[in-house]
Amino acid sequence: QVQLQESGPGLEKASETLSLTCTVSGGSISSGGYSWSWIRQPAGKGLEWIGRIHTSGSTKYNPSLKSRLTMAVDTSKNQFSLKLSSVTAADTAVYYCAREDWSGSRYSDYWGQGTLVTVSS
Amino acid sequence: DIQMTQSPSSLSASVGDRVTITCRASQSISNYLNWYQQKPGKAPKLLIYAASSLQTGVPSTFSGSGSGTDFTLTISSLQPEDFATYYCQQSYTTLWTFGQGTKVEIK
Repeated sequence: QVQLQESGPGLEKASETLSLTCTVSGGSISSGGYSWSWIRQPAGKGLEWIGRIHTSGSTKYNPSLKSRLTMAVDTSKNQFSLKLSSVTAADTAVYYCAREDWSGSRYSDYWGQGTLVTVSS
Repeated sequence: DIQMTQSPSSLSASVGDRVTITCRASQSISNYLNWYQQKPGKAPKLLIYAASSLQTGVPSTFSGSGSGTDFTLTISSLQPEDFATYYCQQSYTTLWTFGQGTKVEIK
């Protein structure tokens, strides 16, 4: 059973860089047919797809965040990460990591439990 | 970006009711449409993929239909554990987008 777990600071100061890591267990992050993504959800609001990374290193970012966003993957640790620079209060949200299945139909089948990041001024 | 619009934004229903949620895409997405259920404080859970395929372990009271721009999620007999928020998501383009959500509440 694949499991994902987000980790990182729960509090960031405005203008700083938010850094989160997602650790994958129960399967290899390098397994074929999958990409690895981040999704966020401000309190009481809907889901926003942030971006994805493949173990080849290829990425796709949401254009609304692209200028501030960097994703990386570390196959030796079975982890992938997100860095979001110049954060503001608008970046306060629960951040989820998820596995995307691209082997046929495309969907996110495994999700982390989510981690709350609060940006303070 | 493809915009996904769900209706209604919320609904009240009773246990045993048949519930239908609709999702409309701003352009054709073939059948690249997924449905997720989210309960408070929990991660979303995949219910339906490819518009009408039931994810393993999901009760058969859930069903999905549609193609192109118009899709529906139907719960044939609402159970107490089904009270939650439901999101549609398109995966047709490389930039995936979600609907705004439909909250199903107890009447």
